[in-house]
Parts: sequence; C-alpha cells; structure tokens
Amino acid sequence: DTAVSQTPKYLVTQMGNDKSIKCEQNLGHDTMYWYKQDSKKFLKIMFSYNNKELIINETVPNRFSPKSPDKAHLNLHINSLELGDSAVYFCASSLGVGPYNEQFFGPGTRLTVL
Amino acid sequence: GENVEQHPSTLSVQEGDSAVIKCTYSDSASNYFPWYKQELGKGPQLIIDIRSNVGEKKDQRIAVTLNKTAKHFSLHITETQPEDSAVYFCAAPGSQGNLIFGKGTKLSVKP
Repeated sequence: DTAVSQTPKYLVTQMGNDKSIKCEQNLGHDTMYWYKQDSKKFLKIMFSYNNKELIINETVPNRFSPKSPDKAHLNLHINSLELGDSAVYFCASSLGVGPYNEQFFGPGTRLTVL
Repeated sequence: GENVEQHPSTLSVQEGDSAVIKCTYSDSASNYFPWYKQELGKGPQLIIDIRSNVGEKKDQRIAVTLNKTAKHFSLHITETQPEDSAVYFCAAPGSQGNLIFGKGTKLSVKP
C-alpha cells in the first residue's frame, strides 16, 4: 500500500554507464516530479509532469531524460553517468499542478557513480 | 519564492526545549509557505503550511508564523521530543509553478 514507490533504492555504477530509476504512485495524482538531493541535503527540482506532459524542466543536462508512460509512472533515464550525478533522487507526486498542492515523496534512490 | 534562505543549517536542543527555524523569501508575491520534515532514510513529508492571509497557524506542538512585510516565516516546535530529530525544509512558490526549497535545517533533539 505504498503511496509513492521508487526502484531501485540503491544504485552503484561506473562512470559512463546508462541507468534508469523507476517511480510509481498509486494515489491517483495527476502531477509527478523528480528532485535531486545532494550530499549537503539541498533539494532541487529537476522535472515535473502533469498527465504525462512535461511542465517543468529545470536546467538539467540533457543526459537526463524523464519518461511518463502513464500518469501513475515517471521514470528517469540517465545517460553517460558522471561522478557529479551521485546524489539521492526523489520522485514525488501531487494531486494537481502548482505549488499549493501537497507533494508526496518516495523513499529516494541513492545513486553512487564510481 | 525564487530565493529562499533558511537558518540555521544545524540546530541542537535538549528534549523538552523549543526549536525555531527561520526562512526568508525574495518574491513579495509569494503567498504559500509549506514546511517539510525529512526523517533519516526517507523522503520529505509535509507537516504544516501557511497562506499569506494568516499570520500564524498551529498544529499541536508545531506552529508557523508569517511576517509578510519582512518576508520571513518561521517554524516553531515546542516541547521537543527525540522523534522530532530530522531535517526540516521550508519552501515558497517559484516562478514556474514549482516549489523552491530552503537548504534545510538538521534538528537534533538530545534526550
């Protein structure tokens, strides 16, 4: 009965590899997000989707490509991984678009690039 | 929104004492200010929020105050307990309709 789930929880990989993180929400929400949290705990939005459509795309390298097959899923694919990509990545969802909607976060995926 | 400054970055209190975390924002049009709590190994979770038409909101041991003139808002936790230990984030609306988060405050409550 997990509301927002992410897989995998931990991901260790070599520089240059391509990897994906999956996110699913069973809350019936229309909006989903990807955040990056670095080692200092700074939480920064990367992307936001509403009903499978991209609505926010912060200045993220184009090596990062989100994909939303349906409104319950928002996956993150990362090409040519770099050391600086090491962080915890959080998926989140909200009922609607806009900052006034409570965001429900997943448990996070800790990505380590060696 | 746009720029949200949060202080302090770390805060250590004795169990039973009060804790106060402060945030300032730059966009005078901002009208919604949530606080999220992130426990170790988990994602952030909304604990309280305030809209600009009120100056204070309380929920049991936590309260948030807002000073629109000074463009700052604060989280107050009274009678702190060890389970209050976490990282707390303030936030404000950004220009793209997203939330801009502060840099977080790591609160440690010592028994």
